[in-house]
Amino acid sequence: GAGVSQSPSNKVTEKGKDVELRCDPISGHTALYWYRQSLGQGLEFLIYFQGNSAPDKSGLPSDRFSAERTGGSVSTLTIQRTQQEDSAVYLCASSLVPPRTNYGYTFGSGTRLTVV
Amino acid sequence: KNEVEQSPQNLTAQEGEFITINCSYSVGISALHWLQQHPGGGIVSLFMLSSGKKKHGRLIATINIQEKHSSLHITASHPRDSAVYICAAREGAQKLVFGQGTRLTINP
Repeated sequence: GAGVSQSPSNKVTEKGKDVELRCDPISGHTALYWYRQSLGQGLEFLIYFQGNSAPDKSGLPSDRFSAERTGGSVSTLTIQRTQQEDSAVYLCASSLVPPRTNYGYTFGSGTRLTVV
Repeated sequence: KNEVEQSPQNLTAQEGEFITINCSYSVGISALHWLQQHPGGGIVSLFMLSSGKKKHGRLIATINIQEKHSSLHITASHPRDSAVYICAAREGAQKLVFGQGTRLTINP
């Protein structure tokens, strides 16, 4: 596609429920990243996929968080048993490897998750 | 102490002023990124640089690898430049470490 597409754009869920967030990267971008931005906080790295390599999961805050990337394209971030502290904007980005051009990364518009 | 520090945290200026936002980092980096986040939340990647200076329109980014410091400059600032500007240091192949951002407001 022309850009990085994320869905849903907004999600309100009850505490304890599972949620799935989807990211569709730019076609041909082999690298895909998930970040989150809590209210009033900076961006926080969650996980990185590159090609067929094992993902870098070092930023996942707990074992309730998991992500997969199928066929080297679409990625799903799953949060199990959601907690109120999971409320944040979850951002996906993609890039070539290594990032090229003047810009490097293309970000999606994010999914705003609210846990009530 | 954060690995990536930005200053100032907030900056308000009048239209037309020359703007400078600073970024210092303590990690070894493969590249330094500047990002722009508008009030709606969307993030745009402005620059990726590993040495010297880059220019795009009214925006200029510089980096001094020895001093571990980068600056983002905006010439002839305009209210539409109002946004949060984020510095991010890329460690190794891909992982980004972000600064806390600088909230810029340009008044007409």
